[in-house]
Amino acid sequence: DAGVTQSPTHLIKTRGQQVTLRCSPKSGHDTVSWYQQALGQGPQFIFQYYEEEERQRGNFPDRFSGHQFPNYSSELNVNALLLGDSALYLCASSWDYRGRPDTQYFGPGTRLTVL
Amino acid sequence: DQQVKQNSPSLSVQEGRISILNCDYTNSMFDYFLWYKKYPAEGPTFLISISSIKDKNEDGRFTVFLNKSAKHLSLHIVPSQPGDSAVYFCAASAFMSGGSYIPTFGRGTSLIVHP
Repeated sequence: DAGVTQSPTHLIKTRGQQVTLRCSPKSGHDTVSWYQQALGQGPQFIFQYYEEEERQRGNFPDRFSGHQFPNYSSELNVNALLLGDSALYLCASSWDYRGRPDTQYFGPGTRLTVL
Repeated sequence: DQQVKQNSPSLSVQEGRISILNCDYTNSMFDYFLWYKKYPAEGPTFLISISSIKDKNEDGRFTVFLNKSAKHLSLHIVPSQPGDSAVYFCAASAFMSGGSYIPTFGRGTSLIVHP
């Protein structure tokens, strides 16, 4: 049973560029959440996708956008990259329990470096 | 303003002894709590969770205690093993307007278990 997978593992971009990160959820999961983890910090919630729509959004600017596909996989797009966007980007998947608490399972992350 | 606080950045314990990791939260809307473990170059791995209707949950060597009146939870690891050396994240979830539970993470505590 494959867990959450993310690609690429590492990425180096320059300021102003755009980046797309990809995530495949754990088998049986229908909900995907994205997090940004800066050095020395805990993961910070960016947004969550369910039924191909953004269901919840954290305190991140519109430069951060996403998409969920019919197979539940997801993309995170970041436009106009800033140096401060350098971080580990984590994808987490879960099963929607219709309003009950769920447990999110994380992928290994994509390390983004902006120069 | 940190809603989930892990005030000890690091903890050092001898193999075989008990490890106690602490976490405090401020938002009384949190009602589902989780602990994750993270090794370098990997994503966080789910360890154990507890609902606000309970004050204790046990899974093998791991026990989580919840004190709602103090807004405090702790993770006990008994006995500690060198393989437990990792960063431990506390997370607290609340039901959000989008219709799901979203966790807020602390900054983590680095546990080192000495042989």
